[in-house]
Amino acid sequence: QQPVQSPQAVILREGEDAVINCSSSKALYSVHWYRQKHGEAPVFLMILLKGGEQKGHEKISASFNEKKQQSSLYLTASQLSYSGTYFCGTVSRPTDSWGKLQFGAGTQVVVTP
Amino acid sequence: EPEVTQTPSHQVTQMGQEVILRCVPISNHLYFYWYRQILGQKVEFLVSFYNNEISEKSEIFDDQFSVERPDGSNFTLKIRSTKLEDSAMYFCASSQTVNTEAFFGQGTRLTVV
Repeated sequence: QQPVQSPQAVILREGEDAVINCSSSKALYSVHWYRQKHGEAPVFLMILLKGGEQKGHEKISASFNEKKQQSSLYLTASQLSYSGTYFCGTVSRPTDSWGKLQFGAGTQVVVTP
Repeated sequence: EPEVTQTPSHQVTQMGQEVILRCVPISNHLYFYWYRQILGQKVEFLVSFYNNEISEKSEIFDDQFSVERPDGSNFTLKIRSTKLEDSAMYFCASSQTVNTEAFFGQGTRLTVV
């Protein structure tokens, strides 16, 4: 069952902050965040693991509340390059491969000058 | 930076024809995946592949689909007897191990007419 993302879309001015939420009805082992720009491949941003470990390649912060089965991605001091569609992908069992992701419907982020 | 490459970028095929979508995963990666994204919808997991066999597959991945690693570098998705509803963007992804992040290719847009 796929996770639910909110909001569906957000429009920001440069420098503003936003939060994207991802929630699941099932227990989660890990949450993976990707950003996709129009016509391009999804690009990996961050993984949050049960137990608190995080792995990321960019200066983007996120949280994972295991009890609530929720994750939030924080876009702080947004830049024009942050525009795109953000997807959360979830892995429910530690034995599942991290490439077997259940993706949410995505949150479209538009950052304007 | 190493990347997953997919060919062709766009393929148009007639309903009922067979298509083969090609992917070259990152060279030291061992796990390979196919996803699809119907226009305007979320990215959906199709199949994962490791050690020359399917390790996981979704309900979407029925007998119409097959995957193969014909040589040391390519990873292919074959769709037999294509249907109109197979029209989508197909993404290939790879990861180094079972629990490392997946990297996506640019996708192949398949249009079935």
